[in-house]
Amino acid sequence: ELKVEQNPLFLSMQEGKNYTIYCNYSTTSDRLYWYRQDPGKSLESLFVLLSNGAVKQEGRLMASLDTKARLSTLHITAAVHDLSATYFCAVDDSGGSNYKLTFGKGTLLTVNP
Amino acid sequence: DTEVTQTPKHLVMGMTNKKSLKCEQHMGHRAMYWYKQKAKKPPELMFVYSYEKLSINESVPSRFSPECPNSSLLNLHLHALQPEDSALYLCASSQAHSEYYEQYFGPGTRLTVT
Repeated sequence: ELKVEQNPLFLSMQEGKNYTIYCNYSTTSDRLYWYRQDPGKSLESLFVLLSNGAVKQEGRLMASLDTKARLSTLHITAAVHDLSATYFCAVDDSGGSNYKLTFGKGTLLTVNP
Repeated sequence: DTEVTQTPKHLVMGMTNKKSLKCEQHMGHRAMYWYKQKAKKPPELMFVYSYEKLSINESVPSRFSPECPNSSLLNLHLHALQPEDSALYLCASSQAHSEYYEQYFGPGTRLTVT
């Protein structure tokens, strides 16, 4: 059974600081996704990482994938309050046919002034 | 258009009621999904439709009945639900038979079972 572990589960940080969220998974998948969810809202796709060494950046967020270590990171640079949300990583272990994503438990990020 | 729409936004129903949730997308996606999400938890996959055929049922109780009438629409029929079924129900869609399956989520239906 595929396991996806995120840490930390809770992250409180000050504006302007940097931090990293980690996502470890137990399969050999090379497809990993990051989503953001604001309270009471739906999930918004942030990044799609499709190969070893993939790096994607959008604004203050940068995601990377190391398939050999089975690890993805979401790095936050100079955090601002608007980044407060829950961040989920999800691994696609479908083998190209069954469309199933397995989600981590999520990291609740709170950015304080 | 990268939008998935869901109706209703909120639904309160009794345990003896029958209701339906609706989901629609016009992105040409041929895979559609139903998820259940409890507060402070990740989404739990319930059903997957691929080319309008049910391809995954994650052992969901029969009081939840999915239906995919065409490639743009997905319904979830609800009957004799329990209070523990109260949750946010999310619909999503993605490409099928593609290199990857980035899923686009709808806004969700907040369901309360009384």
